[in-house]
Amino acid sequence: DAKTTQPNSMESNEEEPVHLPCNHSTISGTDYIHWYRQLPSQGPEYVIHGLTSNVNNRMASLAIAEDRKSSTLILHRATLRDAAVYYCILRAINSGGSNYKLTFGKGTLLTVNP
Amino acid sequence: ETGVTQSPTHLIKTRGQQVTLRCSSQSGHNTVSWYQQALGQGPQFIFQYYREEENGRGNFPPRFSGLQFPNYSSELNVNALELDDSALYLCASSSRDRDRNSPLHFGNGTRLTVT
Repeated sequence: DAKTTQPNSMESNEEEPVHLPCNHSTISGTDYIHWYRQLPSQGPEYVIHGLTSNVNNRMASLAIAEDRKSSTLILHRATLRDAAVYYCILRAINSGGSNYKLTFGKGTLLTVNP
Repeated sequence: ETGVTQSPTHLIKTRGQQVTLRCSSQSGHNTVSWYQQALGQGPQFIFQYYREEENGRGNFPPRFSGLQFPNYSSELNVNALELDDSALYLCASSSRDRDRNSPLHFGNGTRLTVT
């Protein structure tokens, strides 16, 4: 599985934007970039995913570099509830479509200050 | 829409014992996968079931086994428990038929402690 690299931790202030980076220099053409987050004492929660183009949803935006070797998850206005571990994951969909596993790294621990 | 539910939430077992963890998938989902999360680490893939058949397995020994039932609920069984099996066990469901890239929906896990 292709690997991702994220900072161990980041800090933000409430109501300010947060940019969470992820490097994935060995990404293959069929790898989607997925982001999940895990709040304390909860299971991971899907945030967003994309392939080549930037993506927006109600939770966040995903900016993907033109060469796809890096991406950035953008939280437009951080709230205290956004404090969590954020995981950047490359999800390979093989030709048989039988492998949907997620390979988690250690993620980025985001702290949001009031 | 009911989310993924897991039971029990906490469990304490003794080394050498066997344990069964249960998971109810989100309504409409036919694929379930299990993950193990040690303290301070990201979740690690154990295996996945699709329509009652195992169709993917991570690097876990055979004493980790599972079942998926016709209603798509699932069980994770671990035999001959070891101290290193102490972890949070997460179940996730998805709908493979709708979209092969569909997100996984996770439960809040079962915290297993082996003494």
